[in-house]
Amino acid sequence: SYELTQPPSVSVSPGQTARITCSGDALPKKYAYWYQQKSGQAPVLVIYEDRKRPSGIPERFSGSSSGTMATLTISGAQVEDEADYHCYSTDSSGDRDVFGTGTKVTVL
Amino acid sequence: QITLKESGPTLVKPTQTLTLTCTFSGFSLSTPGVGVGWIRQPPGKALEWLALLYWDDAKRFSPSLKSRLTITKATSKNQVVLTMTYMDPVDTATYYCTHSVIGAQTFYDYWGQGTLVTVSS
Repeated sequence: SYELTQPPSVSVSPGQTARITCSGDALPKKYAYWYQQKSGQAPVLVIYEDRKRPSGIPERFSGSSSGTMATLTISGAQVEDEADYHCYSTDSSGDRDVFGTGTKVTVL
Repeated sequence: QITLKESGPTLVKPTQTLTLTCTFSGFSLSTPGVGVGWIRQPPGKALEWLALLYWDDAKRFSPSLKSRLTITKATSKNQVVLTMTYMDPVDTATYYCTHSVIGAQTFYDYWGQGTLVTVSS
């Protein structure tokens, strides 16, 4: 079965840059998507198709992808960015949708 | 404005069948390139994709759960129903209904608030 691997946790000081990685064998051929999930809330899409930002998402959120790794970058992290972040993509066949293992981002 | 809301039982017994309804507004499931998906999240764990219903009534399921899942449009065109048979305590999770964009690659851009389903005798 296909897996997307993320680090369990990332810590960052306010105003600094946080980088969250997502590793998967199909990422060279498939887009990565990123979701932010605050405690007790539903996930919110923050990056789609590797690097595009939906309307209303702050510019400090950016995405990139190279080879088998996609990265979500939060530039100038704010306290309100503290949340779980999930990457998402599909397997090489496109038949199976997969979420990453999730990363808890702490801003303090 | 796209909105989705899940409804169904909060508690089911082991071996029972779970039926969840997604009621949505702001889009039509008849529009090409649109779908409704279901995703769940056990407490403290990762998101898990379950199923996707396409605008043309095509369906895809998680391979590991395919034998237990059905997904259909309800009589009302603004509802999608997910059923999961043989519920087990490990199926305890928050179940989310989502709007899906289906193109070169499928993704989920709008989510319902989720509904927590507990499986216990």
